[in-house]
Amino acid sequence: GEDVEQSLFLSVREGDSSVINCTYTDSSSTYLYWYKQEPGAGLQLLTYIFSNMDMKQDQRLTVLLNKKDKHLSLRIADTQTGDSAIYFCAESNTGTASKLTFGTGTRLQVTL
Amino acid sequence: KAGVTQTPRYLIKTRGQQVTLSCSPISGHRSVSWYQQTPGQGLQFLFEYFSETQRNKGNFPGRFSGRQFSNSRSEMNVSTLELGDSALYLCASNLGLSGGTYQETQYFGPGTRLLVL
Repeated sequence: GEDVEQSLFLSVREGDSSVINCTYTDSSSTYLYWYKQEPGAGLQLLTYIFSNMDMKQDQRLTVLLNKKDKHLSLRIADTQTGDSAIYFCAESNTGTASKLTFGTGTRLQVTL
Repeated sequence: KAGVTQTPRYLIKTRGQQVTLSCSPISGHRSVSWYQQTPGQGLQFLFEYFSETQRNKGNFPGRFSGRQFSNSRSEMNVSTLELGDSALYLCASNLGLSGGTYQETQYFGPGTRLLVL
């Protein structure tokens, strides 16, 4: 079945860039997503990339996709304390956004 | 446009009881998906309903069931609760379209936190 892996923890200093990595096993993934979860809250969609793209930029966020290595990354430029949260990557292979397989989540800690 | 709403937000039950959780999708969204989030297993897909029919199903026992009404609102039910059912249950909605390169996005509600004692 599908499997999505992430490192558990990342600590960066305010103003630096953060890079959160994700690997997945399903070669038929069509859409890949990044979600953010703050304490006690649901999931907030940050950005997404279609599998035929290799990069997408959205303000401070840059998503890179290496389909050959099944590797996805999220770069957050000028990281702020408000970016402290858990970040999940997720993939869909059903052609819709309705059934997502999520990674284990990476806790991002931003220090002053 | 209002977001996805879930009720109740918090719930405490005892083992053996049953529980029903409710989800109202974003207006116009016809697909509703349910996920369970626990510290041990992470986020796991339960099932998806589209136009009142279950379209996708995850690997959960039959104690977990759901339904969708004609107005796209959805409920999920867990019968004979076990301690391990304690979790955050998240509902998400999207238009439910498929195929092509049209990019769909799924929007999540705040979740219902269920504690089983």
